[in-house]
Amino acid sequence: GAVVSQHPSWVICKSGTSVKIECRSLDFQATTMFWYRQFPKQSLMLMATSNEGSKATYEQGVEKDKFLINHASLTLSTLTVTSAHPEDSSFYICSAGDLRSGNTIYFGEGSWLTVV
Amino acid sequence: LAKTTQPISMDSYEGQEVNITCSHNNIATNDYITWYQQFPSQGPRFIIQGYKTKVTNEVASLFIPADRKSSTLSLPRVSLSDTAVYYCLVGVLAGSYQLTFGKGTKLSVIP
Repeated sequence: GAVVSQHPSWVICKSGTSVKIECRSLDFQATTMFWYRQFPKQSLMLMATSNEGSKATYEQGVEKDKFLINHASLTLSTLTVTSAHPEDSSFYICSAGDLRSGNTIYFGEGSWLTVV
Repeated sequence: LAKTTQPISMDSYEGQEVNITCSHNNIATNDYITWYQQFPSQGPRFIIQGYKTKVTNEVASLFIPADRKSSTLSLPRVSLSDTAVYYCLVGVLAGSYQLTFGKGTKLSVIP
């Protein structure tokens, strides 16, 4: 399957600071990328969907000013958690797909964010 | 938005065939059915995808009845390393859509 890579795998930041997580499609061009968060022992919760070159579409209840998503190229999307607080600590996962060539999306390895 | 329903958990002994069924009664005409496997602290891994009838690859088979209101993931001869959460996802990449995960099925393989 196609490869999607996230970086960093884990990050610890201080409360009030911002942290950026990158999601890259390594061997295909991702017209569409998704960002999820997952709490322990729970399912993935979709946060937003982004199409390359367009503004992200956020799910209800997700603050777009707090979770900034950029999808400026066909191989890179970034999620920036601004003014992070301990309740933002979670496992963040991205996925990517190319709508021009199929209906499969592939997931990154996930990124653990801990806000202290 | 097609909602999916799966059993919360399943147990199986090593070497057995495991079938996990997902219900998606309001699946749309253009929707595909995709199954993923997730281990703790990892992103979901693609297993198999289908639209109708039967699809088989090197790790699993996917059975989809004619009405497409359900699908069954079949894992032949499971091993301990197949212990994971399995999700079925229904949707289509193009157009206006949402790819929302259900609760998944926690498969525990017992020695």
